[in-house]
Amino acid sequence: LAKTTQPISMDSYEGQEVNITCSHNNIATNDYITWYQQFPSQGPRFIIQGYKTKVTNEVASLFIPADRKSSTLSLPRVSLSDTAVYYCLVRPMDTGRRALTFGSGTRLQVQP
Amino acid sequence: SAVISQKPSRDICQRGTSLTIQCQVDSQVTMMFWYRQQPGQSLTLIATANQGSEATYESGFVIDKFPISRPNLTFSTLTVSNMSPEDSSIYLCSVSGVSETQYFGPGTRLLVL
Repeated sequence: LAKTTQPISMDSYEGQEVNITCSHNNIATNDYITWYQQFPSQGPRFIIQGYKTKVTNEVASLFIPADRKSSTLSLPRVSLSDTAVYYCLVRPMDTGRRALTFGSGTRLQVQP
Repeated sequence: SAVISQKPSRDICQRGTSLTIQCQVDSQVTMMFWYRQQPGQSLTLIATANQGSEATYESGFVIDKFPISRPNLTFSTLTVSNMSPEDSSIYLCSVSGVSETQYFGPGTRLLVL
């Protein structure tokens, strides 16, 4: 499985856009990039997943360059409730039968 | 998405005792997993719960310490045996189904004194 590297922590203020970049230099051709969010005292929650270019949903956008060696999770106009740990994971397409492997994640602190 | 419940949500236990954590899903799922998250740390996979057969354990985790059952497609239990303070963690149940997206339960917060 490809190893991921992301910043340990980030700080932001309410209303700002936050971009968290993850590097995955050894990503394989059949790997997806997946992001999870974890609030204190809760289990991780799936946010977004993509293979290439850009994916957007109601929560975030995911930008993946052509070489797919990195990805950027973009959170528009963050609020205090976006304070959480964000995990970048790389998973094979056939991964339904294999558990996700979590790295250290990025601890995002949003201040007023 | 699957709705996952865990019981108990938290517990305080004495060393040397055992605790069984239950995980219930609202729909049939292909895979069920158990993770541990120590304070301030990321998630570590303990094992994959296999229906009708022995669980598949990750390196560093053994069946005698963490026996797991999965009697059907919606239910699993994890037992933390002969507990010590080092077992104080959050234990998380996770499932994946046809969609292959992995969903997590709310976790069981365990404190061993």
